[in-house]
Amino acid sequence: QQPVQSPQAVILREGEDAVINCSSSKALYSVHWYRQKHGEAPVFLMILLKGGEQKGHEKISASFNEKKQQSSLYLTASQLSYSGTYFCGTEKAAGNKLTFGGGTRVLVKP
Amino acid sequence: NAGVTQTPKFQVLKTGQSMTLQCAQDMNHEYMSWYRQDPGMGLRLIHYSVGAGITDQGEVPNGYNVSRSTTEDFPLRLLSAAPSQTSVYFCASTPWGGGQETQYFGPGTRLLVL
Repeated sequence: QQPVQSPQAVILREGEDAVINCSSSKALYSVHWYRQKHGEAPVFLMILLKGGEQKGHEKISASFNEKKQQSSLYLTASQLSYSGTYFCGTEKAAGNKLTFGGGTRVLVKP
Repeated sequence: NAGVTQTPKFQVLKTGQSMTLQCAQDMNHEYMSWYRQDPGMGLRLIHYSVGAGITDQGEVPNGYNVSRSTTEDFPLRLLSAAPSQTSVYFCASTPWGGGQETQYFGPGTRLLVL
């Protein structure tokens, strides 16, 4: 079952923060985050395993709340290069298929 | 390393035609997948393979066939193209597929079926 991402779109000014959520109705083993620029392939950002760990990539970090089956991606002090569509992908078990959410479009303006 | 390569980059087909989308990787990855992405949508899994000789269906397998005779190559065949198959197709590979692994995506093939 496809995870649900929210919001569907967000517009930011450079330097502002944003949070993107990814929720599942099923128990998860891991959550993967990818960013896709227009006309390009998705690019890996980070993986989070159940256990509630938090990870970071530049000024982008994420957390995974196992009890809520929800992951949040934090864009801090956003830069123009953060513009794109962010997808979460979820695994129900190790080695299982990744199921992607519908994506969150992020536009960072000067 | 070239990573994951896909050919062709663009293709226009007429309804009923068949074709094969090529995907190759030079990273010795065991796990390979095919996704389709419709405009403004997320990625949907078509077929995947956990190693040479082993394939399985994803969410939207109808109208597509795959085979995996080598570790490097994972072609996707459209049997009889339909307008509903107009999409961008991405191939991806993963070292093992046992979780905790990054998926490396190819540049995509844009397919238009008239």
